[in-house]
Amino acid sequence: DIQMAQFPSSLSASVGDRVTITCRASQSIDTYLNWYQQKPGKAPRLLIYSASTLEGGVPSRFSGSGSGTDFTLTISSLQPEDFATYYCQQTYTTPFFGGGTRVEIK
Amino acid sequence: QVQLQESGPGLVKPSETLSLTCTVSGDSISRYYWSWIRQPPGKGLEWIGYVYYSGSTNYNPSLKSRVTISLDTSKKQFSLNLRSVTAADTAVYYCAREHDFWITSWGQGILVTVSS
Repeated sequence: DIQMAQFPSSLSASVGDRVTITCRASQSIDTYLNWYQQKPGKAPRLLIYSASTLEGGVPSRFSGSGSGTDFTLTISSLQPEDFATYYCQQTYTTPFFGGGTRVEIK
Repeated sequence: QVQLQESGPGLVKPSETLSLTCTVSGDSISRYYWSWIRQPPGKGLEWIGYVYYSGSTNYNPSLKSRVTISLDTSKKQFSLNLRSVTAADTAVYYCAREHDFWITSWGQGILVTVSS
């Protein structure tokens, strides 16, 4: 199985900050990497698929990059509605999610 | 726009079988992969498995011995059976539609508690 290490597990940031979340695969997964946002009590929402493709309707301040084993999700200017938990997911083999990154208000 | 709705008992006794159904509306069920994902209270997401519209399945290796996911195209439903449950199976269970290699649509989730 391909495991996903996601870090940090939590971070505190202010509105307007640039935020970067990292996901590392235990072996190469090409670009079979997706990012989801989840708010409390809600189902996750797809933000980015295939490592860098923005899902329709997702603000352009979200971006994804990487290939192989190392991937990043960047929020260029954090907005109040972005405080949430973010998960990466590899779908190169049997799908697995990273452990999540909780983005909190500083 | 596709909508998914989970249904089933919210309480299951230890050692019994957890059975959930997901009803699909707004799109054909005869395409895509239809998945189950769960989230224990306060924890992260765990992919359980999927059924393809053809009927083929793929399961999380850690759950494979206890899981069956099936599809009923006539009812536009797919189902999850998880056998021999314990308290560790207490979670919010989501059904979802996977398009290519990513999940585009989710149900609202249903909390299932395993307790006597």
